[in-house]
Amino acid sequence: AQKITQTQPGMFVQEKEAVTLDCTYDTSDQSYGLFWYKQPSSGEMIFLIYQGSYDEQNATEGRYSLNFQKARKSANLVISASQLGDSAMYFCAMREGADDKIIFGKGTRLHILP
Amino acid sequence: DAGITQSPRYKITETGRQVTLMCHQTWSHSYMFWYRQDLGHGLRLIYYSAAADITDKGEVPDGYVVSRSKTENFPLTLESATRSQTSVYFCASSPGLAGDAQFFGPGTRLTVL
Repeated sequence: AQKITQTQPGMFVQEKEAVTLDCTYDTSDQSYGLFWYKQPSSGEMIFLIYQGSYDEQNATEGRYSLNFQKARKSANLVISASQLGDSAMYFCAMREGADDKIIFGKGTRLHILP
Repeated sequence: DAGITQSPRYKITETGRQVTLMCHQTWSHSYMFWYRQDLGHGLRLIYYSAAADITDKGEVPDGYVVSRSKTENFPLTLESATRSQTSVYFCASSPGLAGDAQFFGPGTRLTVL
C-alpha cells in the first residue's frame, strides 16, 4: 500500500485563486512529520512547509498553509492568491517515527493560468 | 554559501560502464540521501547515510554503491550502468532531527545508451 497518496496528477487554476493540493498518508506511528516540496520546471526541489503530528496548529509559511486533518490522515497544501510562478510539480512527503527516511508521493503538477 | 552541489550535472554513458555521481554539502549535515526521479514514480530512495561510514539501503539499491568517508561527501557509483538507470539523480542532506526537512542538490541527469 502506498504511504503517501496524491490523487491529483494535474491541476489547472486561474491566477490569484486559492489552490488546494491533496495529500493523504498511511502510518500506524503516533509520531510523524509531513512535508511539502515544490519542483519547478528548472528541476530543483524546494522545501515549502512542515507539519509535525503533535502540532496542534496548522503550519503556515507565507502564502503556503498545510491543512492538517489527523483523523482523516490528510495533509493538504493550500496556496493562497496563486501566482504564475507557482506553476510546478508539488510533492507531499512523510517521515515516520524515528525513521531516517522521508517517503515521497508521486506528485501533482500545478498549472497556473493567466 | 554553496549548500549542496552535485557533479556532473549531465552525463551520457554507455551500458556496462562505471559511473560515479558526486555530492558535496557544506552544512555539516549528518544525513545524506540519494534519490532517483523517473516519470510516474516520483522520487525513490536509493541509499542514505546517517553519518560518515554509516550507510543503508533505500527502496531501490540494486546496481548502486555508495560510500561516505567524509561527512561532506556522498558519492554514488553505478558499477555497470544499465539503460534502466537512465534517470535524474538527486542528492539531499538533512541535519537529522525529527522536524528537519531534507535539502536537495540541483540533480544530475544521467543517460545510459
